[in-house]
Amino acid sequence: DTEVTQTPKHLVMGMTNKKSLKCEQHMGHRAMYWYKQKAKKPPELMFVYSYEKLSINESVPSRFSPECPNSSLLNLHLHALQPEDSALYLCASSLQFVPGQATSSYNSPLHFGNGTRLTVT
Amino acid sequence: GQQLNQSPQSMFIQEGEDVSMNCTSSSIFNTWLWYKQDPGEGPVLLIALYKAGELTSNGRLTAQFGITRKDSFLNISASIPSDVGIYFCAGSDGNNRLAFGKGNQVVVIP
Repeated sequence: DTEVTQTPKHLVMGMTNKKSLKCEQHMGHRAMYWYKQKAKKPPELMFVYSYEKLSINESVPSRFSPECPNSSLLNLHLHALQPEDSALYLCASSLQFVPGQATSSYNSPLHFGNGTRLTVT
Repeated sequence: GQQLNQSPQSMFIQEGEDVSMNCTSSSIFNTWLWYKQDPGEGPVLLIALYKAGELTSNGRLTAQFGITRKDSFLNISASIPSDVGIYFCAGSDGNNRLAFGKGNQVVVIP
């Protein structure tokens, strides 16, 4: 079982809906990430939070709004999505985020959750 | 930016056979990671490599960080049906972002 828990596992929403994806980890990690993954493609980075502050936004459209209420929780608020936003949304965490060191022996690799399969109709 | 070339992109292997796949980068990397992703699940970390020349094993898996720091390989010995999945290499050259290879779909034929 993954130590990064994501809910819901599946989500179907219309283009006018507002929904939220949730992610939780209890490994004491201080960096949390949102990735988007299309079928048979590698994950693509969306956001990075470090110590509950947004460190990286990969020019993600504003219809995706991340939130990090505390060091264990990460949310992704969705509003007015498009069908092309349908994908697997993965949350990940690591011990810490060090600018200029995406991963290193003292940073710890990324640990991924099982994702939320999002379908926008 | 970081670019990873992962090969092969798919492979069909007989149960019991050994599997080898590799990943090359356009720049010098300081970390290499190998992940496996099963359908409907997130990527699971298999092996992490942090030093050039490092050879690390995890059960039937062995991975090496190339001496040139621009490549890494993953070997799976004596494949079994549960080895089926997509294997991703990933790494960093000091950038803020982890680069991923395109993945290698492995199918094990009983």
